Amino acid sequence: DQQVKQNSPSLSVQEGRISILNCDYTNSMFDYFLWYKKYPAEGPTFLISISSIKDKNEDGRFTVFLNKSAKHLSLHIVPSQPGDSAVYFCAASVTGNQFYFGTGTSLTVIP
Amino acid sequence: DAGVTQSPTHLIKTRGQQVTLRCSPKSGHDTVSWYQQALGQGPQFIFQYYEEEERQRGNFPDRFSGHQFPNYSSELNVNALLLGDSALYLCASSHKSGYQETQYFGPGTRLLVL
Repeated sequence: DQQVKQNSPSLSVQEGRISILNCDYTNSMFDYFLWYKKYPAEGPTFLISISSIKDKNEDGRFTVFLNKSAKHLSLHIVPSQPGDSAVYFCAASVTGNQFYFGTGTSLTVIP
Repeated sequence: DAGVTQSPTHLIKTRGQQVTLRCSPKSGHDTVSWYQQALGQGPQFIFQYYEEEERQRGNFPDRFSGHQFPNYSSELNVNALLLGDSALYLCASSHKSGYQETQYFGPGTRLLVL
C-alpha cells in the first residue's frame, strides 16, 4: 500500500532552468512533508519541509508547494545546477508517527 | 558537530545468519528510527526507539529487533537472514519534541545476503 507516490522515476533539466519534482499522497491525515536528496553511497540529506498549515515554503533555490485538496506536493529548484543531480525523495507523516517515503525521482541537470 | 554515524558500511552474510547494525545519533537527538531501502525503492520504516523502548513499528517481522542504549545509540538486529533482506539499512535520528520532527539520516549499512 504505497501512501506516497513519485510517478516520475527520472527527470532531465538544463542547467539554469527550473526543476519541478512531484509527489502525490493518499492519506489525508498527513500533516508534515519533507524532501530529501540522496547521492549514491550516501544517506538521504534533508532539504526542506512543509507543514500542512502552509501551502508554500522557501529556502534559497528550493521551494516546496503543498496542495492539500489535490493531495499533491512539488519541489521547485531554481536555478538548477549540475550539483543538484541526485535522487530526490518526498516523505510524509501524521505528526508523531512514522514517515512514509516515495520511490524517488532521479534528477539529472545537464551542463 | 558529528552527524548520524552507522557501522559497518558494508556487510556480507549468508542465509540463516544473524546480523547487528549500529547507529549513533546526531548530537542533541534522542530518537532513532531504522529504515530498509531496497534497490529502486524508497526507505521503508522498520521501527523507532525513544527512551530505550520501541515506540512504533512498521510492517516487518519479529526477526527484526532493536535496542537503544542510555547514550541514545541504537542497534538493529536481524535473525535468520533471508536473501530478501539484502538492502541498504538507514538509521535516522531526531529530537522528540511532541511536534513535527525532522529526521536526519546516516550514510547507511549495505547488507548483502548470499
